[in-house]
Formats: sequence, C-alpha cells, structure tokens
Amino acid sequence: EAQVTQNPRYLITVTGKKLTVTCSQNMNHEYMSWYRQDPGLGLRQIYYSMNVEVTDKGDVPEGYKVSRKEKRNFPLILESPSPNQTSLYFCASSFAPYNEQFFGPGTRLTVL
Amino acid sequence: GENVEQHPSTLSVQEGDSAVIKCTYSDSASNYFPWYKQELGKRPQLIIDIRSNVGEKKDQRIAVTLNKTAKHFSLHITETQPEDSAVYFCAASRGNQFYFGTGTSLTVIP
Repeated sequence: EAQVTQNPRYLITVTGKKLTVTCSQNMNHEYMSWYRQDPGLGLRQIYYSMNVEVTDKGDVPEGYKVSRKEKRNFPLILESPSPNQTSLYFCASSFAPYNEQFFGPGTRLTVL
Repeated sequence: GENVEQHPSTLSVQEGDSAVIKCTYSDSASNYFPWYKQELGKRPQLIIDIRSNVGEKKDQRIAVTLNKTAKHFSLHITETQPEDSAVYFCAASRGNQFYFGTGTSLTVIP
C-alpha cells in the first residue's frame, strides 16, 4: 500500500531532551516536506527536500534539523526542544513540488 | 516571504447549497495553488489544484478559480453534502516552498 508513515504518533517530552520524528514513504517520491500545524495558524512549512542530500529551509526552520540520506526517509530532529515547539507535525511527499502531496498521519508532540 | 490570507474562518451552509472560500496571496511569483481538505483528526488531503497558466479548473462538484491580476483564488463547492464538512486550506507555492492559509471550517447542515 502506498503510504507515508511517521513515528512516533504521540510524544510527550521535556525541554532540552533531543528527539527525532521519523518519516518514510514508499512511493519513490523525490520531494518531501515537514509542516507544523497550530490552531489558528494553519500549516507552516519547516523544511523540505528536493532529493537525497538536498534540503532547504521552509518558513519556520528555527529549532529544527533534517537530513535526507535515503530517498524514502526524511527525519525531523529537535536537538533541544522547547515548549513553543509543542504542535502537530506532518510529513508529506510528492513526485515534485507541483504534484499532489501525500501527508503522513501526523505526530502530536508536547514539550513540557 | 509569501503571505496567504483565507476567508472566512468558519462557514455554515445548508445541505445542497454552495460554499465559497477565498484566498489572497502577496507574491506575484507564486504559480501553484492547491486546496486541501482535513477532516477532524485526519491528515490533509488534496482535493483540487490549479497552476498559474489556468484561470479555472473543475472536478465534479468542486471548482477553483484564479485571478492572477488581483492575486486571489477561490474554492467553490456546489450541492454541498454533510461529508463535505471539514477544514479546508488553501496554499500558494513559488518554487519549492508552500505557504498555507489559516483554514476554513465548513459545516454542512443536513
């Protein structure tokens, strides 16, 4: 089944404790992206990747890192999480930016 | 960067009526405009998109119009059904970046 998966789906952590949210797609998509969704703010793009080893900042990259060592995986790294990073995070992928993006199920992160 | 504004934030319609959601954007270089539907507790899903070289696109009960001069685009849903109830997001893209509106919560009253 063609899909985008994220893990974990829910995470409660404390300020400063490094964490990684994984994202994987099995559709051979070139373009992958991370978004955060906050009430009243819609979706905001954190980072995106055009292909392996090619990543770039989105609208709200501060406090986040990403890597794209393999085509199928695009992990989001929070090296020192803070409470303002409490949010719902979505990974998405598509063949190209101008094609349909398929979203993962979301990861709800709470930073205490 | 790009600024996308979306209105209204909430919309209630009677089943069978039409619903219209409007978005404006600020960057004239934006050239791809998708619309996503997000049901409660679910992930966003693309329902329709339009590129800047097209003024209108239709898919069954859903249509999108684009006015590049005025920098606005709209989603039109005709013959609304209860299953159309969801949050709808517009987005604008230039190059590889996406900017989303703040969403419209649509309720279709049976």
